[in-house]
Amino acid sequence: DVKVTQSSRYLVKRTGEKVFLECVQDMDHENMFWYRQDPGLGLRLIYFSYDVKMKEKGDIPEGYSVSREKKERFSLILESASTNQTSMYLCASKIGGASTEAFFGQGTRLTVV
Amino acid sequence: GENVEQHPSTLSVQEGDSAVIKCTYSDSASNYFPWYKQELGKGPQLIIDIRSNVGEKKDQRIAVTLNKTAKHFSLHITETQPEDSAVYFCAAGDQGGKLIFGQGTELSVKP
Repeated sequence: DVKVTQSSRYLVKRTGEKVFLECVQDMDHENMFWYRQDPGLGLRLIYFSYDVKMKEKGDIPEGYSVSREKKERFSLILESASTNQTSMYLCASKIGGASTEAFFGQGTRLTVV
Repeated sequence: GENVEQHPSTLSVQEGDSAVIKCTYSDSASNYFPWYKQELGKGPQLIIDIRSNVGEKKDQRIAVTLNKTAKHFSLHITETQPEDSAVYFCAAGDQGGKLIFGQGTELSVKP
């Protein structure tokens, strides 16, 4: 079974802190994603990585950066956390290219106080 | 940028009735249209998908239709059961592999 593991289920951080959300997949997938899930807004794409060290901005990249130094790991970085970044963050991975199934992690509920 | 609109945001049906969720997309280059189901406390999971060269696909009680000209696609669930209660997301994918999701539909099936 494909496994996408997010490092934390719940996280509480203070405003202004630098926050790292980690995601690891075990199926040698080329593509990895970070989404943010908010009620009524669905899943909004923050960043997309189509291969190691390759990244593309999604719809809402402001305030975030990403790192993909190794194929299995995709990190989301909040440079200076703000309260409006309180949300559920979902990581996903899939085989590269079109028409392939994306597998999601269980999500990280981040609260910024 | 690419956009996927999903309706309705909430849907309540009686057990045994049918449920229909509709999506529209903006990017003509989209060629892959999956549907995901998210149960409480879990990440979304793929339930069915359709590619742009196909108009309809069925898997037991679930079917998806695609109208590429109108940029519409829909999920149909027949004979709904309480375990179908969840949040459903549509998505549109392009050749590069990027997936854009809709806003989600919270389906409630009442026994």
